[in-house]
Amino acid sequence: RKEVEQDPGPFNVPEGATVAFNCTYSNSASQSFFWYRQDCRKEPKLLMSVYSSGNEDGRFTAQLNRASQYISLLIRDSKLSDSATYLCAVTAGTASKLTFGTGTRLQVTL
Amino acid sequence: NAGVTQTPKFQVLKTGQSMTLQCAQDMNHNSMYWYRQDPGMGLRLIYYSASEGTTDKGEVPNGYNVSRLNKREFSLRLESAAPSQTSVYFCASRQGPNSNQPQHFGDGTRLSIL
Repeated sequence: RKEVEQDPGPFNVPEGATVAFNCTYSNSASQSFFWYRQDCRKEPKLLMSVYSSGNEDGRFTAQLNRASQYISLLIRDSKLSDSATYLCAVTAGTASKLTFGTGTRLQVTL
Repeated sequence: NAGVTQTPKFQVLKTGQSMTLQCAQDMNHNSMYWYRQDPGMGLRLIYYSASEGTTDKGEVPNGYNVSRLNKREFSLRLESAAPSQTSVYFCASRQGPNSNQPQHFGDGTRLSIL
């Protein structure tokens, strides 16, 4: 089993839709969790950290479920500009490094 | 704010040639990382340096060497380039191994080996 797993998608949604992605992790000792956004041929950029109590940043909501070992990202009112690949990242094994999922591709259409 | 700077941005090599990818960060971060990204494979960790003076292998270290030159700089060297090393390489930095801070990435080096 991979340390961090994501559904690769693509998720094709119309503008204005709500879409959610999950990311599962295998190491129950993981402490830090993040969502990154990556545009085609660009570097990953931090979208948001994921806190134990859940957190929101505008149209984006992140949640952590330690019991089931997954994090989620909810995007409300999708925009065309949200089209990208979304990577989750988790400290796994050692706090020295993050392990990334392979990403979920989102395509928002008119 | 420069953040993480990688050079070069593009490079074409012939099989067997050597080269060094440079990375520097100006955020006073302790930890630095080198990844490669290939289609369908996601980000794979090559080497990392948890703090100045230390380096450790990641998931795919074969064919690479690294040097943590000082706190700011972390270089990646290909001694004898192979076509399988054609990839996009990203450098990243992070506050430190015991922090809950995220990694910040440079904008990548696109390397082609013929």
